[in-house]
Amino acid sequence: AQSVAQPEDQVNVAEGNPLTVKCTYSVSGNPYLFWYVQYPNRGLQFLLKYITGDNLVKGSYGFEAEFNKSQTSFHLKKPSALVSDSALYFCAVRDIGGGATNKLIFGTGTLLAVQP
Amino acid sequence: ETGVTQSPTHLIKTRGQQVTLRCSSQSGHNTVSWYQQALGQGPQFIFQYYREEENGRGNFPPRFSGLQFPNYSSELNVNALELDDSALYLCASSLLGTLTDTQYFGPGTRLTVL
Repeated sequence: AQSVAQPEDQVNVAEGNPLTVKCTYSVSGNPYLFWYVQYPNRGLQFLLKYITGDNLVKGSYGFEAEFNKSQTSFHLKKPSALVSDSALYFCAVRDIGGGATNKLIFGTGTLLAVQP
Repeated sequence: ETGVTQSPTHLIKTRGQQVTLRCSSQSGHNTVSWYQQALGQGPQFIFQYYREEENGRGNFPPRFSGLQFPNYSSELNVNALELDDSALYLCASSLLGTLTDTQYFGPGTRLTVL
């Protein structure tokens, strides 16, 4: 079965410092991986995805993610954090065992807190 | 902002009642998926509709049902509400069948069951 794990419930970083939010995956076959962000009382906003190709994926709001097949990881990164980046971040994998659907399996989420 | 809209924003029901949530998908998309996000958890897939038929379902009981209309809007119906049904219900739309079939989410409906 496909799954993703986010080992950190919360990540704290000072504004201006680089940030990393970790995600590891377990899939059979090639993974389709996604990052979404959720602000309080809001839905999920798509940040970026990895399907194939370059292991470094660039997304919205200056975020990027590095796909590492040997470590089965897909960590979200940003060179310089902003206070406005504070939110809940979800890693997700497309369930290739989901039949005809493109349903997503989500991790438990990581709360990013950026201190001014 | 995506083009996915949901209504209502908030809803309060009592145990045993029935509820209908609505979703309007992004223009050009052909699928609608529904997810349940309980407090402190990641979203869980309920089901997906494609061309007005259910084409996949998660581990949810039959009292969770849905519809997709010709204009690709959708409803989620939940019968015999239970306290554990309290959650944020998210709708997502996508264009199935392409490599760009990213799911785009609406703002959600917060359901509280008392």
